[in-house]
Amino acid sequence: GNSVTQMEGPVTLSEEAFLTINCTYTATGYPSLFWYVQYPGEGLQLLLKATKADDKGSNKGFEATYRKETTSFHLEKGSVQVSDSAVYFCALLSTGNQFYFGTGTSLTVIP
Amino acid sequence: ETGVTQTPRHLVMGMTNKKSLKCEQHLGHNAMYWYKQSAKKPLELMFVYSLEERVENNSVPSRFSPECPNSSHLFLHLHTLQPEDSALYLCASSQVQGAGYGYTFGSGTRLTVV
Repeated sequence: GNSVTQMEGPVTLSEEAFLTINCTYTATGYPSLFWYVQYPGEGLQLLLKATKADDKGSNKGFEATYRKETTSFHLEKGSVQVSDSAVYFCALLSTGNQFYFGTGTSLTVIP
Repeated sequence: ETGVTQTPRHLVMGMTNKKSLKCEQHLGHNAMYWYKQSAKKPLELMFVYSLEERVENNSVPSRFSPECPNSSHLFLHLHTLQPEDSALYLCASSQVQGAGYGYTFGSGTRLTVV
């Protein structure tokens, strides 16, 4: 079956720290992988995506690489800002055209 | 605003009430979705509409009743809910069902059942 597992939070970092949020997946076939971000009081927004193995998605300083060998899509950012405080969701789009989301990881960045 | 508007933003209802959630998009998208977001759980897909036809219903209790009168509007009618139905209900749309470039989500309706 298809599923997404991401690291449990909450994660608290100081400004300018390095961020990694782990995400692994189980899928049949070749899914596309996504990271969504949810700012307080808002819906989910697409942050970045990768559609095939070894693709790197990037946006706003965040990056994630589609690793087929480790079935992972970890989110990274070299230097986080207070404005990055949000909940981050890893998701996969299956070959059957259905999205599967992780449980979300809450990130708080303190000045 | 993302292009998907949900109203109301907050709703408190008793277990015997009947209420409706509304979702509206003018992005020209042909697929719309209802998701339930509960704490520490993955987003749960509730309903999928493609070209105004319901194409998926993931075993959602009948106290939730969706309606899609046209491609721009989606409703979720609620009646005789339970306290465990309290959650954030998110509407999303995409150009076609399962679009690989992702969905556009609304800000959600925070529902509390008392």
